[in-house]
Amino acid sequence: KQEVTQIPAALSVPEGENLVLNCSFTDSAIYNLQWFRQDPGKGLTSLLLIQSSQREQTSGRLNASLDKSSGRSTLYIAASQPGDSATYLCATGNTPLVFGKGTRLSVIA
Amino acid sequence: SAVISQKPSRDICQRGTSLTIQCQVDSQVTMMFWYRQQPGQSLTLIATANQGSEATYESGFVIDKFPISRPNLTFSTLTVSNMSPEDSSIYLCSVAGTSGGYNEQFFGPGTRLTVL
Repeated sequence: KQEVTQIPAALSVPEGENLVLNCSFTDSAIYNLQWFRQDPGKGLTSLLLIQSSQREQTSGRLNASLDKSSGRSTLYIAASQPGDSATYLCATGNTPLVFGKGTRLSVIA
Repeated sequence: SAVISQKPSRDICQRGTSLTIQCQVDSQVTMMFWYRQQPGQSLTLIATANQGSEATYESGFVIDKFPISRPNLTFSTLTVSNMSPEDSSIYLCSVAGTSGGYNEQFFGPGTRLTVL
């Protein structure tokens, strides 16, 4: 059974810093990996989808990498802004997705 | 991508009552999923709803407590029955689409339920 772990559980950084969020999964036979953003009390916004044959995806200041052999993915956020404050969730699996518990990010102005 | 709406967006209910949550998608989809997110926790899959067949429930969830309807390819409902305070959660509807041949999941805005 797929298990997804995210480290750290919470992170607080000053505005402008670059940061990395980590995600690990137990079953490397994944189809794809998705990163989501969730604002408090809200639904999920899909940020990046990495297909199993890919190693990374980029969208604006976000870059996600995937290393299936080690069972890891990272989300890199460049030049963080207060508006990036949210919980970031990593999920993988062959539909439906299995989620990690998320990293709660606070960017301090 | 798919655009998903949910009704209601939030509700406060009394113990012992039931609430039906609606999920509408802007395109026809085969697979729809219902997730629960308890306070401070991640998402847990309740069930998978395919049109024309009974929903498939995950371990720990039963049809009597969470009956699901899927009358067509764009709509589904989840009922939370005989509610207790432990049912206070965000309930999220999700659908699977395709991106470059690979499955991608999209989520609705969620229904925030508080049971008193």
